Amino acid sequence: EIVLTQSPGTLSLSPGERATLSCRASQSVSSSYLAWYQQKPGQAPRLLIYGASSRATGIPDRFSGSGSGTDFTLTISRLEPEDFAVYYCQQYGSSPPDTFGQGTKLEIK
Amino acid sequence: EVQLVQSGAYVKKPGESLKISCKASGYSLTSYWIGWVRQMPGKGLEWMGIIYPGDSDTRYSPSFQGQVTISADKSISTAYLQWSSLKASDTAMYYCAKSLRGWSAFDIWGQGTMVTVSS
Repeated sequence: EIVLTQSPGTLSLSPGERATLSCRASQSVSSSYLAWYQQKPGQAPRLLIYGASSRATGIPDRFSGSGSGTDFTLTISRLEPEDFAVYYCQQYGSSPPDTFGQGTKLEIK
Repeated sequence: EVQLVQSGAYVKKPGESLKISCKASGYSLTSYWIGWVRQMPGKGLEWMGIIYPGDSDTRYSPSFQGQVTISADKSISTAYLQWSSLKASDTAMYYCAKSLRGWSAFDIWGQGTMVTVSS
């Protein structure tokens, strides 16, 4: 099973700042099958990025994903008030189980 | 509009059985994998398993293998997650989610079903 470790656990930033979230895998993620999700309180997760760097439908271009192998990054170029939430990475597509990281909470400073 | 609508919240006693549902609309259930994800109170997301309703191919996380059963009824475009004997530790929000393409990231999520198991 591939273990995903996200860092930091909590990130405190102000609107307008740049956010960089990390996701490290315990072994190489095949074909960059890595996704990022955003979850707000009381809501289901929302897909932001798949294939490590492809934005899902309707996702603003301030969200970008990068990385390969075992190290992946989600970058939010300029934080909007609605971006403060919990973010999860997920690896998928190989033999099960798919796994999620433990999450990074992005909070307003 | 593509959407997944899940059954409502349940309060059950330990040892009871339960089957929760996830009804798909706006697309063909048989063409995409559907997964189930657990979120315990205040915790993160856990991948439980996935089913391809087209041929009922089903895979489970080892953590959930033997603890739950995932199934689907193509005729009514509905996927299911069931327990034969609930435990207090099954108390959680459960989400179904549709795979984007092939076995992939989840692009459409249900609203979640809260299951509370308490004596």
